[in-house]
Amino acid sequence: AQSVAQPEDQVNVAEGNPLTVKCTYSVSGNPYLFWYVQYPNRGLQFLLKYITGDNLVKGSYGFEAEFNKSQTSFHLKKPSALVSDSALYFCAVRDIRRGFQKLVFGTGTRLLVSP
Amino acid sequence: DGGITQSPKYLFRKEGQNVTLSCEQNLNHDAMYWYRQDPGQGLRLIYYSQIVNDFQKGDIAEGYSVSREKKESFPLTVTSAQKNPTAFYLCASNRRDSMNTEAFFGQGTRLTVV
Repeated sequence: AQSVAQPEDQVNVAEGNPLTVKCTYSVSGNPYLFWYVQYPNRGLQFLLKYITGDNLVKGSYGFEAEFNKSQTSFHLKKPSALVSDSALYFCAVRDIRRGFQKLVFGTGTRLLVSP
Repeated sequence: DGGITQSPKYLFRKEGQNVTLSCEQNLNHDAMYWYRQDPGQGLRLIYYSQIVNDFQKGDIAEGYSVSREKKESFPLTVTSAQKNPTAFYLCASNRRDSMNTEAFFGQGTRLTVV
C-alpha cells in the first residue's frame, strides 16, 4: 500500500527565515504526491503536486517542493516564511487498488511562524 | 463558483442519535470521499465513491453509512453504532479518470456528541 510519513509534529521558524516541512513516501510504481494546507476549522487547500518531470515543483503562495527519488522524500519548502503561513500541512499520496483511487494522508505537521 | 459545500458547519448529536452530514459539489466530479480528522491522526478515509450508485468502505467505515444517488451529492450518516463520533469531517471530490489531478475539499463539519 502507498503511504507517506511526516516525521515532525511541529516546525517552528522565525518570519523571514526559510522553512522546510518534511515528507517521506513509500510507493510501488510511480508516486503521485501532493501537499495541502489547512487553516483552523477549514477544509484543505491544495498547494502543489508532483507527477513527473522536474524534481522541483512550484506551487501556491510561494511554496515549492523537492522530489528526491533516492531518499524517497518530498519536502515542502519556502525561501522566506510569513506569519500567515502558520497552519497545518499535509503530505498525501495517491493510491489505487482494484481500479479505485484515493488519497492517503500523512499525520500532518503544524507550522508556527513567529514574528 | 465551482466547489464543494458541506453543511452544517457545526452539528451536535445526542447519544444514540443518527445524524446526516451533507456534501454537495458542482465540479462535475465522479469521485467523492469522506474523511475523518482527529488531532494528531491526520485524515482517515471513511467511505469513497467513484460513480453514482456505487461506493466503497474506507479504513474506518464501521458506524457510518453513505449513499450516492446523484453525482453531485454524497451524504454521510453517522449512526449510533459509531462509538466515538466527535471529530471534524471532511468531504472531497476529484476527477475519476486521472491519477494526477488534485482533490478539492469542503470546509468541513465539526460533529460533537453532547
